[in-house]
Amino acid sequence: QKEVEQNSGPLSVPEGAIASLNCTYSDRGSQSFFWYRQYSGKSPELIMSIYSNGDKEDGRFTAQLNKASQYVSLLIRDSQPSDSATYLCAVRFHQGAQKLVFGQGTRLTINP
Amino acid sequence: EAGVTQFPSHSVIEKGQTVTLRCDPISGHDNLYWYRRVMGKEIKFLLHFVKESKQDESGMPNNRFLAERTGGTYSTLKVQPAELEDSGVYFCASSRATDTQYFGPGTRLTVL
Repeated sequence: QKEVEQNSGPLSVPEGAIASLNCTYSDRGSQSFFWYRQYSGKSPELIMSIYSNGDKEDGRFTAQLNKASQYVSLLIRDSQPSDSATYLCAVRFHQGAQKLVFGQGTRLTINP
Repeated sequence: EAGVTQFPSHSVIEKGQTVTLRCDPISGHDNLYWYRRVMGKEIKFLLHFVKESKQDESGMPNNRFLAERTGGTYSTLKVQPAELEDSGVYFCASSRATDTQYFGPGTRLTVL
């Protein structure tokens, strides 16, 4: 079993709709959770971080964390063609260790 | 503020040769990380520097890989001798403390 799992996609969503990206992780003691966006050939760019159960909203983005189910998701409202990218879920498993454990990424395409 | 920079952007070498990758972190960031993404796989952690000290090198695949950060500024990652399975994209990231890791654009390494 992979430590961090994402559906690799591709996920295709019409413009203006809600895109829902999901991620599960194996270590119940995980502390910190991140969503990065990566355009082809570019740096991964942090778009959301979440540390506590529940929802965290930032503009059109909402991260949701459920530690009991070991599940973190990212919702993108009013999807735009510029949101088309690969979305990477990353988990910091332990408070003492700084390394991030990544999922494979979900390729998202927003269709105009 | 300049972002994380990496050099070269691409490198093509033959099996058995040596390659050195360089990373310049964001100014003032004591933490520097190396990650790698091989074809079709997720981004994987290689090692973590705090200033010039190796904090965590648990992800280094073998002793053909040598990372240095003399003076606590830029870092180099040397692969000697390179093997075919070393091909991939090598990312560097930096952070001020235990917060957001900012990624560079990566070096695409191809070993023929």
